Amino acid sequence: GQQVMQIPQYQHVQEGEDFTTYCNSSTTLSNIQWYKQRPGGHPVFLIQLVKSGEVKKQKRLTFQFGEAKKNSSLHITATQTTDVGTYFCAGPSVYSGGGADGLTFGKGTHLIIQP
Amino acid sequence: NAGVTQTPKFRVLKTGQSMTLLCAQDMNHEYMYWYRQDPGMGLRLIHYSVGEGTTAKGEVPDGYNVSRLKKQNFLLGLESAAPSQTSVYFCASSPRPGREAFFGQGTRLTVV
Repeated sequence: GQQVMQIPQYQHVQEGEDFTTYCNSSTTLSNIQWYKQRPGGHPVFLIQLVKSGEVKKQKRLTFQFGEAKKNSSLHITATQTTDVGTYFCAGPSVYSGGGADGLTFGKGTHLIIQP
Repeated sequence: NAGVTQTPKFRVLKTGQSMTLLCAQDMNHEYMYWYRQDPGMGLRLIHYSVGEGTTAKGEVPDGYNVSRLKKQNFLLGLESAAPSQTSVYFCASSPRPGREAFFGQGTRLTVV
């Protein structure tokens, strides 16, 4: 079945350093989504990428979708303590009927920031 | 606007007991999902629904049942709880596949 792999599993950075997490799918994706989960919280949608080679920015966050639509990355510039959490990528998954019925999540990257 | 609401937030069960987790959404979304989250495993889909009266199996459906009698509610049942079902359960809803999923606050379930 479809697999979405994410690396690294954990990333320790000093506050102010940059951070990048990578997501790779075993299949071509029609789109990819990114979510953030704060410690003890629930996943919150950040962004969706649809087009091959697409790049989107949200303040210090930059999201990229690969040309082959099988990989994606999230880059945070100059991390702040508010960036702490787990970042998940997710791609459409097929469970029945051939249509994309849900989301398959990567295992996430835990971002730990040392002040 | 409440979004997605899960009850209860915490629960401790003994092995073999049963319980039902309730998810309610007020966004008129067609699609609803139940995920479980375990350390190092990410979010795994248990069951989902593409509309009122429909349910389907996800990646890890064994030991769970679901019902969607009303569009706004999606129930997850454990008929005979096992320690392996100790997890954090998240409900989510979406207007359609490929769109943003809205998650509830989660239910932390411990089976002893």
